[in-house]
Amino acid sequence: DQQVKQNSPSLSVQEGRISILNCDYTNSMFDYFLWYKKYPAEGPTFLISISSIKDKNEDGRFTVFLNKSAKHLSLHIVPSQPGDSAVYFCAATLGGNTPLVFGKGTRLSVIA
Amino acid sequence: DVKVTQSSRYLVKRTGEKVFLECVQDMDHENMFWYRQDPGLGLRLIYFSYDVKMKEKGDIPEGYSVSREKKERFSLILESASTNQTSMYLCASSLLAGGPITGELFFGEGSRLTVL
Repeated sequence: DQQVKQNSPSLSVQEGRISILNCDYTNSMFDYFLWYKKYPAEGPTFLISISSIKDKNEDGRFTVFLNKSAKHLSLHIVPSQPGDSAVYFCAATLGGNTPLVFGKGTRLSVIA
Repeated sequence: DVKVTQSSRYLVKRTGEKVFLECVQDMDHENMFWYRQDPGLGLRLIYFSYDVKMKEKGDIPEGYSVSREKKERFSLILESASTNQTSMYLCASSLLAGGPITGELFFGEGSRLTVL
C-alpha cells in the first residue's frame, strides 16, 4: 500500500510559467515532508522540506505548500527554467529514526 | 560538503554471479541506506543500517544482503544476480534517518547494474 503518492508521472510546462507538482499521503502521522530532484545518471538531491506544523515553506523559486486536512502537499516552481527539467520525488517521514518513504516521482519537462 | 561515493557507476553481470556494490560516505553519518530506482516504481528501500554491524530490512530485501563493518562503508550484495535485479542502485547516508532537522538524505551518484 503506497503511503506517498505522486499521481502524475509527467508534467510539461513552458519556460517562465509556474510548475506545480502534487503529492498525496495516507499516513496522518507523517511529520516532515521533503522534495528531491533527480537528473538522469545522478543521485537525487535535496530540494526543500516542510514540517507538519507549517503550511508553507519558501526557498527562492521553490515553495512547498502543505494541506494537512487534505493530506496533500505541492511544490511550486516559479518561474520554471529549462534546468528544472528532472524527476521530482516527494518523501515523508514519521520522524525519529524511521526511513523516508518516497513517492514514485514526477518527470518535469520545462520547454524553452 | 557531504560526499557519498559509489564504487561503480556501470556494471554488467551475468545471471547467477555474485555482485558487490560498495558505498562510502565521508561525513561520519550514522545511517546508511540502499535504494533501487526503477521507471514507474520510484525509489524503493532495500536495506538500511543505523550503526556498524547493524542492518534492517527495507521494503524489498529479497535477493539482497548488506554488510556494514565500518561506519563509513555500506555494501550491498546480490548473492546470485537475476535479470529482475537490473536497476539503478542508489546509496544514501544521513545523520538521522527521518529528521528531525531536515530529514535530509545525501545520495551517491548511483550504480547502474545490468544483469544479462
